Amino acid sequence: KQEVTQIPAALSVPEGENLVLNCSFTDSAIYNLQWFRQDPGKGLTSLLLIQSSQREQTSGRLNASLDKSSGRSTLYIAASQPGDSATYLCAVRRWANSKLTFGKGITLSVRP
Amino acid sequence: AAGVIQSPRHLIKEKRETATLKCYPIPRHDTVYWYQQGPGQDPQFLISFYEKMQSDKGSIPDRFSAQQFSDYHSELNMSSLELGDSALYFCASSLVGRLTNTGELFFGEGSRLTVL
Repeated sequence: KQEVTQIPAALSVPEGENLVLNCSFTDSAIYNLQWFRQDPGKGLTSLLLIQSSQREQTSGRLNASLDKSSGRSTLYIAASQPGDSATYLCAVRRWANSKLTFGKGITLSVRP
Repeated sequence: AAGVIQSPRHLIKEKRETATLKCYPIPRHDTVYWYQQGPGQDPQFLISFYEKMQSDKGSIPDRFSAQQFSDYHSELNMSSLELGDSALYFCASSLVGRLTNTGELFFGEGSRLTVL
């Protein structure tokens, strides 16, 4: 059974800092990995999708990497802003049509 | 661009009542997924449909049922509601049956169910 772990559960950083959010998964046989952002009580916004054959994806200040063999992914946020404060969830998919298995998320707080 | 539409956005029910949530996937998406997210929890997979057939089943209580209709919209029916059913219910859609499929899931804003 796939298990996705995100540590730490919460993180507080000052504005402007570059930061890395970690995600690990137990079964390296994945189809893809998605990073989501969730604001309190709101929906899930897809940030980046990495296919199993890819090593990284970039979107603006965000960069996600994938090391499938070691079961790890990182989300790099450059020059963090207070507006980046949210919960960031990592999720993996076993096959093209299978469910996403989520980690418990990292709640990020960026202090002005 | 069209997104996943869920209705209602908020729903308040009494214990033992019945609730129905609706999901309209992104046009031409052939797969729908339902997730339940309790307070402070990660989303838990309930059930999925591909081309109107159930494709996978997760931790969905027997009191819940779901289906996907001919127009690809899906409904989640919840009966004999319990306090513990209070949660945010997400629907997601994906396009699976294409060679160019990226496998990305797109989520709706969710339906918040409160059971009193």
